[in-house]
Amino acid sequence: DTAVSQTPKYLVTQMGNDKSIKCEQNLGHDTMYWYKQDSKKFLKIMFSYNNKELIINETVPNRFSPKSPDKAHLNLHINSLELGDSAVYFCASTFGGAEAFFGQGTRLTVV
Amino acid sequence: GNSVTQMEGPVTLSEEAFLTINCTYTATGYPSLFWYVQYPGEGLQLLLKATKADDKGSNKGFEATYRKETTSFHLEKGSVQVSDSAVYFCALSGPMTTDSWGKLQFGAGTQVVVTP
Repeated sequence: DTAVSQTPKYLVTQMGNDKSIKCEQNLGHDTMYWYKQDSKKFLKIMFSYNNKELIINETVPNRFSPKSPDKAHLNLHINSLELGDSAVYFCASTFGGAEAFFGQGTRLTVV
Repeated sequence: GNSVTQMEGPVTLSEEAFLTINCTYTATGYPSLFWYVQYPGEGLQLLLKATKADDKGSNKGFEATYRKETTSFHLEKGSVQVSDSAVYFCALSGPMTTDSWGKLQFGAGTQVVVTP
């Protein structure tokens, strides 16, 4: 069973479109995260939710909006996509802030 | 703020060679330290961790010791295999405050290429 799963794995879209990435974890964890990995493989946190409450909100354009309908799900919606949004987006989860389990990533390409 | 510095790659080795990837950190308090590995086209997997000074994390033949006096967490493996080719990330987490709960600060990653 996949512990942290993201969909879709690949997403190719045009500039200006709105898209969503979904994440689900079946580990019973209480905290979920979104990380962005750029073309040089550098990873940076974007958001975190603990028990459906937003607790980390890094300096991210407000075109990015996370939503957590319950503890097991954290979705990322992106409005008005730009070329610079092209990256791999990783979802992760922890229990009590301990070691993180990551999803397989969503490779977003904006053309 | 917290930061992690790790050696740049790529590191190219022959099979059965000794691997060291240096990692140093800057942090307040006592962070937890991690090594994650990313195989081509995959997500990140936790390789090993250490949560306090002098702890040694180990897994799959890899080891790293939390050295507070040198603020380092170097990754080592005595004999690498082709299957160890991947990108390795050093990361830290801490302190556990409400606005940094489990937040990972990553190094830039080191690509390791092992040739037969």
